[in-house]
Amino acid sequence: DTAVSQTPKYLVTQMGNDKSIKCEQNLGHDTMYWYKQDSKKFLKIMFSYNNKELIINETVPNRFSPKSPDKAHLNLHINSLELGDSAVYFCASSPTSGRPTDTQYFGPGTRLTVL
Amino acid sequence: AQSVAQPEDQVNVAEGNPLTVKCTYSVSGNPYLFWYVQYPNRGLQFLLKYITGDNLVKGSYGFEAEFNKSQTSFHLKKPSALVSDSALYFCAVSPRTGGFKTIFGAGTRLFVKA
Repeated sequence: DTAVSQTPKYLVTQMGNDKSIKCEQNLGHDTMYWYKQDSKKFLKIMFSYNNKELIINETVPNRFSPKSPDKAHLNLHINSLELGDSAVYFCASSPTSGRPTDTQYFGPGTRLTVL
Repeated sequence: AQSVAQPEDQVNVAEGNPLTVKCTYSVSGNPYLFWYVQYPNRGLQFLLKYITGDNLVKGSYGFEAEFNKSQTSFHLKKPSALVSDSALYFCAVSPRTGGFKTIFGAGTRLFVKA
């Protein structure tokens, strides 16, 4: 009964490969997010979807492409992986459409290591 | 530019002593304020938030935070620290307008010594 789940938990891959991270939330929330946490623990938003519609698209290389097949799922596909992509990627969700008072619920993270 | 500052990379406190983790922000328009905690190898967990009303907000695990509008601060406090409180703490700010974007501080590592 995990609220926000991510797979895989760990991902080790070679430079130049393409990989995907999956996220699912069973909270019935409308909004989902992808965050990147770098080695210094700094957390930065990458994307946000509200009811399958992209609403936040930060300055992220276009090698990163989010996909939301339905409002319970938000996947992140990364093409041509680079060393600098190594980080922990967190998925999160929040209940409603665009309420800044909403609490965000985070997944356990996916640690991506690019060799 | 809008920003959230957590001036201390690490806070060290002895178990049983009070603790304070500082947060100040530069975000216009009376934003909403949050604290999250991250335990090792885990995702962030919500602790508390300030929306409106009483400047002292109580949250999970005995934590509280004090909102100070004039100083644009939202410091996290606990009267008596536990070793199990050792974790990474993030202050976060959500502007009232302009979209869904929450701005996170850089995090403060709290170390509670037995």
